[in-house]
Amino acid sequence: AQKITQTQPGMFVQEKEAVTLDCTYDTSDPSYGLFWYKQPSSGEMIFLIYQGSYDQQNATEGRYSLNFQKARKSANLVISASQLGDSAMYFCAMREGPYSNTGNQFYFGTGTSLTVIP
Amino acid sequence: DADVTQTPRNRITKTGKRIMLECSQTKGHDRMYWYRQDPGLGLRLIYYSFDVKDINKGEISDGYSVSRQAQAKFSLSLESAIPNQTALYFCATSAPFVLAGTGELFFGEGSRLTVL
Repeated sequence: AQKITQTQPGMFVQEKEAVTLDCTYDTSDPSYGLFWYKQPSSGEMIFLIYQGSYDQQNATEGRYSLNFQKARKSANLVISASQLGDSAMYFCAMREGPYSNTGNQFYFGTGTSLTVIP
Repeated sequence: DADVTQTPRNRITKTGKRIMLECSQTKGHDRMYWYRQDPGLGLRLIYYSFDVKDINKGEISDGYSVSRQAQAKFSLSLESAIPNQTALYFCATSAPFVLAGTGELFFGEGSRLTVL
């Protein structure tokens, strides 16, 4: 089974609007971390936001927030007030806990390509 | 200067050639990784190392080998390159999960390899 699933290969959003990028995960480990990365067309991977499995509140970083629904195993990224520079690939990732048998590997989804329309 | 540096950034080679991608880091992290990115497939783990004497295979290690020469250096080799190894390769580092606040991966800028 896929550890991380991103079901939206491509998304479009109007400039200044908000957009939600979906991510679901699969783990039986009670201790895990969820991450979102941005990959612009230049290719580098930029860390955006982190949510720990025990965090009570949704993570926020500037215009980025993570809608963490633990029971549904979802960790959607919300980008508010989209800008042209937000056009990029976005990857969701998970890292299981220190005592898991996966060796603390990071698992990545297949990504969502976001295009911001002027 | 980048915290995680990959060389070369771009390489075109021919089938059957041996290729080495090098990675060095100044983060002071023990954990280093090599990933491969293909369109539509996301990032897949090739090898990872949690210290100089610890090397582990990832999801797609066949056709690849690695060497951890020092805490700061982790090299990926393709002993006999084939066209389906054409991809974007990333080196990354991380702090241990238990110690760091987030323990996120820090990526190099990527090495684009084309095998003809």
